[in-house]
Amino acid sequence: QVQLVQSGAEVKKPGASVKVSCKASGYTFTSYGISWVRQAPGQGLEWMGWISAYNGNTNYAQKLQGRVTMTTDTSTSTAYMELRSLRSDDTAVYYCARVGVSGYDFDYWGQGTLVTVSS
Amino acid sequence: QSALTQPASVSGSPGQSITISCTGTSSDVGGYNYVSWYQQHPGKAPKLMIYEVSNRPSGVSNRFSGSKSGNTASLTISGLQAEDEADYYCSSYTSSSTRVVFGGGTKLTVL
Repeated sequence: QVQLVQSGAEVKKPGASVKVSCKASGYTFTSYGISWVRQAPGQGLEWMGWISAYNGNTNYAQKLQGRVTMTTDTSTSTAYMELRSLRSDDTAVYYCARVGVSGYDFDYWGQGTLVTVSS
Repeated sequence: QSALTQPASVSGSPGQSITISCTGTSSDVGGYNYVSWYQQHPGKAPKLMIYEVSNRPSGVSNRFSGSKSGNTASLTISGLQAEDEADYYCSSYTSSSTRVVFGGGTKLTVL
């Protein structure tokens, strides 16, 4: 069965960086893209970007350009999302999700990783 | 402010049908058939319920259906059940550089 297992919760200070991992299993990793979606406490979902696990091509949300980097390691079927220059409003649960058949839907999700930014 | 507009809350009694709307523009909902719907229970990850406006993934109940008219997409849940109580989010492809936008979410209460 398809599974996406994310790394554990993080606490960071403003200005620091965080790198969240997402290990995939149950399917051919390079056949699907991975998107990252975040959710601030009590708020809605926000799409952060997408990476092709086939060739590493990326597309990032405009508001995060320059602060976010998404990568993959095909040898371990793991996707990574790094966010730099953290601010308090980056406090959120970060989800990885497999990109589905349409290319713009997300058919399997990780369990989420809480990133708290606090001084 | 979210790019797609959803009602903050809807409610219905068991067995009834409800519809959640998702309004965008011709640059997203109205221009493409890439509307998806997600169900999210408290403390859980979202679950894909509908993709490409009206397609159901394998395993999703046929009580859930999707449609679109102009710039507004809709999710209809028929035969409401207690376990349908959750937050629902729509999303759409957008022609802007941010390729996917979400609605603000709708809290469904089953009375």
